[in-house]
Amino acid sequence: DIQLTQSPSSMSASLGDRVSLTCQSSQGIGNYLSWYQHKPGKPPKPMIYYATNLADGVPSRFSGSRSGSDYSLTISSLESEDTAIYYCLQYDEYPWTFGGGTKLELK
Amino acid sequence: QVQLEESGPGLMQPSETLSLTCTVSGFSLTSNGVGWVRQPLGKGLVWMGTIWAGGSTNYNSAVQSRLSISRDTSKSQVFLKMNSLQPEDTGTYYCARQGGLRRPFDYWGQGVMVTVSS
Repeated sequence: DIQLTQSPSSMSASLGDRVSLTCQSSQGIGNYLSWYQHKPGKPPKPMIYYATNLADGVPSRFSGSRSGSDYSLTISSLESEDTAIYYCLQYDEYPWTFGGGTKLELK
Repeated sequence: QVQLEESGPGLMQPSETLSLTCTVSGFSLTSNGVGWVRQPLGKGLVWMGTIWAGGSTNYNSAVQSRLSISRDTSKSQVFLKMNSLQPEDTGTYYCARQGGLRRPFDYWGQGVMVTVSS
């Protein structure tokens, strides 16, 4: 199975900070990677598809990028509503696999 | 307006068979696939399987021997059945729409909590 390693596992940042979360794939998956924001008591919310494409309704402060097998979700200016756990998902090969998540908190 | 809603029993006994229903609206099951994702208690997300618009299925090998996903297109319902339940199957189960080849899980249900305990 393809392993997705997310780093850091948790982090805290201040309002207005630029924040980057990383997801590293154990093998090549092309751009078949998406990002989800998950808040307690709510279903996951899609943020990024196909590595770099913003999902519908997602604020433009979010962006996705890829460098080889490393994928990043970047928030250009952190807002309080962005605190959540973020998961990446690879859908290039079965079984589809999620990363372990990054918990993002406010400092 | 796309909506998905999971339903099923909240409490199960070990060794029993779990049956969950995902009722969808705002799209056709013959146009979009639906997948199941679970979150074991205190852990991360796990893809369980997907039934595609054409009716074919793919399963996570970790649960494939216990899992079956089917559908009734006339009722806009997708079904998950998983046998031989164990306490580690406790968690929240979500169904989610496959938006397209490059857009997995673009809409999600609210999730249903399942507890496996004697």
